[in-house]
Amino acid sequence: LAKTTQPISMDSYEGQEVNITCSHNNIATNDYITWYQQFPSQGPRFIIQGYKTKVTNEVASLFIPADRKSSTLSLPRVSLSDTAVYYCLVGVHDYGGSQGNLIFGKGTKLSVKP
Amino acid sequence: EAQVTQNPRYLITVTGKKLTVTCSQNMNHEYMSWYRQDPGLGLRQIYYSMNVEVTDKGDVPEGYKVSRKEKRNFPLILESPSPNQTSLYFCASSLTGVRDYGYTFGSGTRLTVV
Repeated sequence: LAKTTQPISMDSYEGQEVNITCSHNNIATNDYITWYQQFPSQGPRFIIQGYKTKVTNEVASLFIPADRKSSTLSLPRVSLSDTAVYYCLVGVHDYGGSQGNLIFGKGTKLSVKP
Repeated sequence: EAQVTQNPRYLITVTGKKLTVTCSQNMNHEYMSWYRQDPGLGLRQIYYSMNVEVTDKGDVPEGYKVSRKEKRNFPLILESPSPNQTSLYFCASSLTGVRDYGYTFGSGTRLTVV
């Protein structure tokens, strides 16, 4: 299973764009990159998932370079409510792979200030 | 509403008294998993199940049991709880072969073993 490395914490201000980078040097060909958001005492919430290049949804964008050894979660114009822990996961979500054993790690604690 | 339901939300018990934390999902998901979350350690997987009657150990399975007799239910059993199992527990489920959804998490069970 590919191990991921993220910054422990990040600070930002309201209205700024926040980019959180995750390193996954040992990513396998079948692995997808998934990001989750977790608020205190709540379960993680799926944000976005991608395989390569760029993925965008109503919440965030995910940038993945050609070598796929890293990925960057981009949160546009953050607000105080975006203060949370963000987890980068690498694994397979399809049947037949190692998708059952998803490793969350410690995540990145994002603090958004007014 | 599509959801993962855990019960109870809070539980205080004594060392050695067997307990079960229930988890149920109404999304017909094949994958289900249990995590525990402790300060400074992030989310660690206890057990997971890829389908009915198919379960496997995660990273920290010692002291826990699970069963998957029905698709919707995935109970976590602590046969003889100890204080080091005091933690916040999350159940999660995922749909086979759908890459865009990731895991759906329950609201958590805060367990205290005294």
